Amino acid sequence: GAVVSQHPSRVICKSGTSVKIECRSLDFQATTMFWYRQFPKQSLMLMATSNEGSKATYEQGVEKDKFLINHASLTLSTLTVTSAHPEDSSFYICSAPAGGPDTGELFFGEGSRLTVL
Amino acid sequence: DAKTTQPPSMDCAEGRAANLPCNHSTISGNEYVYWYRQIHSQGPQYIIHGLKNNETNEMASLIITEDRKSSTLILPHATLRDTAVYYCIVSRKGSARQLTFGSGTQLTVLP
Repeated sequence: GAVVSQHPSRVICKSGTSVKIECRSLDFQATTMFWYRQFPKQSLMLMATSNEGSKATYEQGVEKDKFLINHASLTLSTLTVTSAHPEDSSFYICSAPAGGPDTGELFFGEGSRLTVL
Repeated sequence: DAKTTQPPSMDCAEGRAANLPCNHSTISGNEYVYWYRQIHSQGPQYIIHGLKNNETNEMASLIITEDRKSSTLILPHATLRDTAVYYCIVSRKGSARQLTFGSGTQLTVLP
């Protein structure tokens, strides 16, 4: 099956620093990728839609200047949490529709757990 | 997209069938039923989806009632590795962005 890989799986950083999370589609091209955030004991919340070659689309309430998304190629999207604070500590998960944008079958990465001290 | 209702938790004995229900009484004609699961501290995994016919794949079976207001995900022979949160989602095909994850059902497979 389609594989989506995230890196790093875990990251601990100091408050005020920036953290970059990579999401790669390993065996297929993804013009669209989705970034989710999941707090402990809660469900996944869509943060933004990453579009190859154009600006990302952010969900309401998500600060685009804080969560920078770059979709530089058909296999790579990055999420940069800028000036991270403890409240940004969360499980960040990316996904991509392996069958193209006209599908609800998403393949998810392993997730990246961010802890901001 | 239509909302779904799932029981918060269920237990199942290892080796037995796990039947996970989902109510989606406000589903529209062009909306599909998707099932995903999330094992603890991992990304979700796609399981199966359907429109109105029953579907089966190597992981599970999906039974959708004739009025499409509810569905059941069946894991025919549950194993300990099937312990996870199972999400039932209703969405128009072609709108992956609109997949909204609810609280799901925590399935615990007991030895």
